[in-house]
Amino acid sequence: AQSVTQLDSHVSVSEGTPVLLRCNYSSSYSPSLFWYVQHPNKGLQLLLKYTSAATLVKGINGFEAEFKKSETSFHLTKPSAHMSDAAEYFCVVRGVSGGYNKLIFGAGTRLAVHP
Amino acid sequence: GAGVSQSPRYKVAKRGQDVALRCDPISGHVSLFWYQQALGQGPEFLTYFQNEAQLDKSGLPSDRFFAERPEGSVSTLKIQRTQQEDSAVYLCASSSHKPGQGAKRSSYNEQFFGPGTRLTVL
Repeated sequence: AQSVTQLDSHVSVSEGTPVLLRCNYSSSYSPSLFWYVQHPNKGLQLLLKYTSAATLVKGINGFEAEFKKSETSFHLTKPSAHMSDAAEYFCVVRGVSGGYNKLIFGAGTRLAVHP
Repeated sequence: GAGVSQSPRYKVAKRGQDVALRCDPISGHVSLFWYQQALGQGPEFLTYFQNEAQLDKSGLPSDRFFAERPEGSVSTLKIQRTQQEDSAVYLCASSSHKPGQGAKRSSYNEQFFGPGTRLTVL
């Protein structure tokens, strides 16, 4: 069975400083992993996805994540935080069952960005 | 183009009432998913449709929960005799997944999410 664990429920950074949101996964085979972002009163939006191509994945809005099999990690980073990055972030693993894409979400990390 | 829409956006129900939540997926999307997101938690899978067929309902928490998609487009999630623990945001997502492709890791079809319906049961 697949699962993801987000190691921080809240992260607070200053505008212009780096962002690191941590995620560890558990999977019986090489997983497909994603990061989604949820802004208040808006739908979940896909930031980036890893599906066994390059281990360093670039997403939208300057975010990127690195798949590290040895550490079973898929941490999300951004070099410089912007106020508009404040949101809830979810690490997600795809559960493949019956030939479709069921998503399994972590508990989320709330990112606060201070001026 | 139009994304996934859900209605109502907010619903307050008294315990014991029945509620119906609607999802309008992106036109032409074959796959439709329902998720439940409790306060402070990540979304959890409820059920999956491929066109009008409900292929997986393993996440529905009880037999009070029922979902349908009779014509393969709009879907309704119905909760009978609501309880306080049903209070959550209910999310709908659709994707253009076609049968037989889902098992390939590289063939992920992005799920597009609606804004959700926040259900509060008093």
